[in-house]
Amino acid sequence: GQNIDQPTEMTATEGAIVQINCTYQTSGFNGLFWYQQHAGEAPTFLSYNVLDGLEEKGRFSSFLSRSKGYSYLLLKELQMKDSASYLCAVRVDNYGQNFVFGPGTRLSVLP
Amino acid sequence: DVKVTQSSRYLVKRTGEKVFLECVQDMDHENMFWYRQDPGLGLRLIYFSYDVKMKEKGDIPEGYSVSREKKERFSLILESASTNQTSMYLCASSRDYPGANSPLHFGNGTRLTVT
Repeated sequence: GQNIDQPTEMTATEGAIVQINCTYQTSGFNGLFWYQQHAGEAPTFLSYNVLDGLEEKGRFSSFLSRSKGYSYLLLKELQMKDSASYLCAVRVDNYGQNFVFGPGTRLSVLP
Repeated sequence: DVKVTQSSRYLVKRTGEKVFLECVQDMDHENMFWYRQDPGLGLRLIYFSYDVKMKEKGDIPEGYSVSREKKERFSLILESASTNQTSMYLCASSRDYPGANSPLHFGNGTRLTVT
């Protein structure tokens, strides 16, 4: 089967750093994606990892360990606008047709 | 930027009605998808299509059908709406690019309420 786990909710303070974890057990692996979704809006693509290690993109970084089935999204210098749900998704095939999503982590950033 | 457009943001339908949800993308993507999103369950795949007139069942296809007559358009059909189909429906598209960073691009969603 396919299983992706994330914490349901997290709270952090403006200006702080927060790490959102994602663990996965899937039938295949061809990349892990992080999406941000503000309430009532569409998910938007944040980052992609296919090799082990850290990918940095401004205030956001994403890490992958394929041997551990583990990823995290690191958000630095938190801003109020970062309050959103963060979705972890694994592409399980080679043709971009089969994605498995985690339940999402709702992050609240407090002043 | 890729644009995926869903025809309605909010819909209210009665039990037993036939419901059409339309989705159009403007980037010539091969793959198109329909997901539903429910609290605590995440995104679940209903159907996807990898080419015109081609369709594949996802994880929860029961009670739904799809149509892809043109590459840019993918329609989700609820043949006879039921209250358990009340949900947020998200359309997405992606480029068919094996082994590379090819994320899903989502529309803004249609919140369907069946009464």
